[in-house]
Amino acid sequence: DAKTTQPTSMDCAEGRAANLPCNHSTISGNEYVYWYRQIHSQGPQYIIHGLKNNETNEMASLIITEDRKSSTLILPHATLRDTAVYYCTVSGGSYIPTFGRGTSLIVHP
Amino acid sequence: DSGVTQTPKHLITATGQRVTLRCSPRSGDLSVYWYQQSLDQGLQFLIQYYNGEERAKGNILERFSAQQFPDLHSELNLSSLELGDSALYFCASSVGHLNTEAFFGQGTRLTVV
Repeated sequence: DAKTTQPTSMDCAEGRAANLPCNHSTISGNEYVYWYRQIHSQGPQYIIHGLKNNETNEMASLIITEDRKSSTLILPHATLRDTAVYYCTVSGGSYIPTFGRGTSLIVHP
Repeated sequence: DSGVTQTPKHLITATGQRVTLRCSPRSGDLSVYWYQQSLDQGLQFLIQYYNGEERAKGNILERFSAQQFPDLHSELNLSSLELGDSALYFCASSVGHLNTEAFFGQGTRLTVV
């Protein structure tokens, strides 16, 4: 599976969009990009995934660049409850979610 | 609520002891994953079962074992416990084993004293 790189931490004002980047420059053609988040010591929560097209659901939007080497998770109107560690993972075929250190997002009032 | 149930929520035990953690996957999910999360190691994949068969192994110690039963629930057995085994243990489930999202339980916090 391709390796991912994320910033260690970010912050965002409440009500603003939070844009979390992920680099996956070694991604191969059949690998999907997944995003999860973990709110302090709770179980990780699935957010969204995509292959090459942009995706949107009730939680977030996922923008994947045309060359698929990077992606951005967008929380359109961040709230204090969105404070969490966000993990970007890449996998193709037999999928085993694997997690790096992720990005610690702090949403402040 | 992810639909994945883990019991117990908390467990305190002594070094050298053996414990069993239980996981009930979401209804219809055939794949179960186990993870360990300690402060210094992050989320580490331990093992995956799919429809009763072991499918993939990660950084699972020989003192640890798991199984998935015909009703698809899974158990993680930890033996000869050491202080360093103190961690959060998460179970996740997914429908299959190919490109499909996983849903995590709330974890079991194990403290070895």
